[in-house]
Amino acid sequence: NAGVMQNPRHLVRRRGQEARLRCSPMKGHSHVYWYRQLPEEGLKFMVYLQKENIIDESGMPKERFSAEFPKEGPSILRIQQVVRGDSAAYFCASSPKGSGANVLTFGAGSRLTVL
Amino acid sequence: AQTVTQSQPEMSVQEAETVTLSCTYDTSESDYYLFWYKQPPSRQMILVIRQEAYKQQNATENRFSVNFQKAAKSFSLKISDSQLGDAAMYFCAYRVYSGAGSYQLTFGKGTKLSVIP
Repeated sequence: NAGVMQNPRHLVRRRGQEARLRCSPMKGHSHVYWYRQLPEEGLKFMVYLQKENIIDESGMPKERFSAEFPKEGPSILRIQQVVRGDSAAYFCASSPKGSGANVLTFGAGSRLTVL
Repeated sequence: AQTVTQSQPEMSVQEAETVTLSCTYDTSESDYYLFWYKQPPSRQMILVIRQEAYKQQNATENRFSVNFQKAAKSFSLKISDSQLGDAAMYFCAYRVYSGAGSYQLTFGKGTKLSVIP
């Protein structure tokens, strides 16, 4: 059981470039969550997805950020035209259907650095 | 808005001793879940313990236990027989229902625990 796999672990981008972060949920899990951790802060909810559906994106910035979880393949968090304030650790978590986020398994995170 | 407050940015404990990390939260709900997560230097988020609000009995997991005071909205974590591997950031979290079948976790800012050999 490989757990929640995130890649890349570290990503460096220059201002204005695009960042793509990938997340493969744990085997048997159909729900994916993305959280962002700024330096010296706790994790903050961004978006909750099921296969081919965005269920809750209330924590996602309205511009430049998007997320998807296609029928096949990993979930993708995409940040367009990155700015220095996007530098953070981005965590993906997954849960089984019907668990109501009570059984979240987190990945190791992707650390984005914007130069 | 739901909030989670961890009033101790840093704590330290001697190896083999006991330490308590505090957490308070604000909610108008009567049924909810609370969590403690550990984040070691590897940055992996690891679930330590979970408490269901409707259960009066405090949750325990080996050396980890909680003191859940529902009326006071307090949820402290006690670590007994502290080990060097317990050194990490500890985050308290509250599960929020945000509508349309969606649940979110709201996290506190964390407490950095150091274990002194």
